[in-house]
Amino acid sequence: DAGVTQSPTHLIKTRGQHVTLRCSPISGHKSVSWYQQVLGQGPQFIFQYYEKEERGRGNFPDRFSARQFPNYSSELNVNALLLGDSALYLCASSLAGEGGYGYTFGSGTRLTVV
Amino acid sequence: KQEVTQIPAALSVPEGENLVLNCSFTDSAIYNLQWFRQDPGKGLTSLLLIQSSQREQTSGRLNASLDKSSGRSTLYIAASQPGDSATYLCAVMDSSYKLIFGSGTRLLVRP
Repeated sequence: DAGVTQSPTHLIKTRGQHVTLRCSPISGHKSVSWYQQVLGQGPQFIFQYYEKEERGRGNFPDRFSARQFPNYSSELNVNALLLGDSALYLCASSLAGEGGYGYTFGSGTRLTVV
Repeated sequence: KQEVTQIPAALSVPEGENLVLNCSFTDSAIYNLQWFRQDPGKGLTSLLLIQSSQREQTSGRLNASLDKSSGRSTLYIAASQPGDSATYLCAVMDSSYKLIFGSGTRLLVRP
């Protein structure tokens, strides 16, 4: 069975540009979450979606947005990129995104803003 | 506000040694706790998931314990191997179902 797949694996963008990151959850999983991990730190929560509805949002500016599609895949969009947005962006899927279930993470997208 | 702390930040041990990684959290209102492994530049691999009602979980050479009332978890690695070298992260699921991570313990197992 395929795990959580993220694309692209790496990309380089210029300050002020926009970026879209994509995530396909494990088949049957209905919850997708996004995390940002800067070097040397643990991942920080950005968004959680369940059944195409936003369930939670972390402490990130409005430049960050996301959505979940009917097939449960998800996109994370970041506008007006800043140097500080350079990080590893991780997608995680869960059967239901509730307390009884763990999360499975993808390999991440490494974003570099220059 | 939930905070997760991992001690030590880095650890270097000779091959074959048994070791313990520590994780503490400030709010005991958690659904579960998960331990992850992360290789350099890679994503997270789930190692063990402990529900809030459980005390421990085991998988192979790994054993994780949870003491929710004291806000502590430990990951025990038996007979460490060079292939165990990685960063180990613990994360608690809070009341809104999001994961709060520690900063990790960077482990080096020397041959």
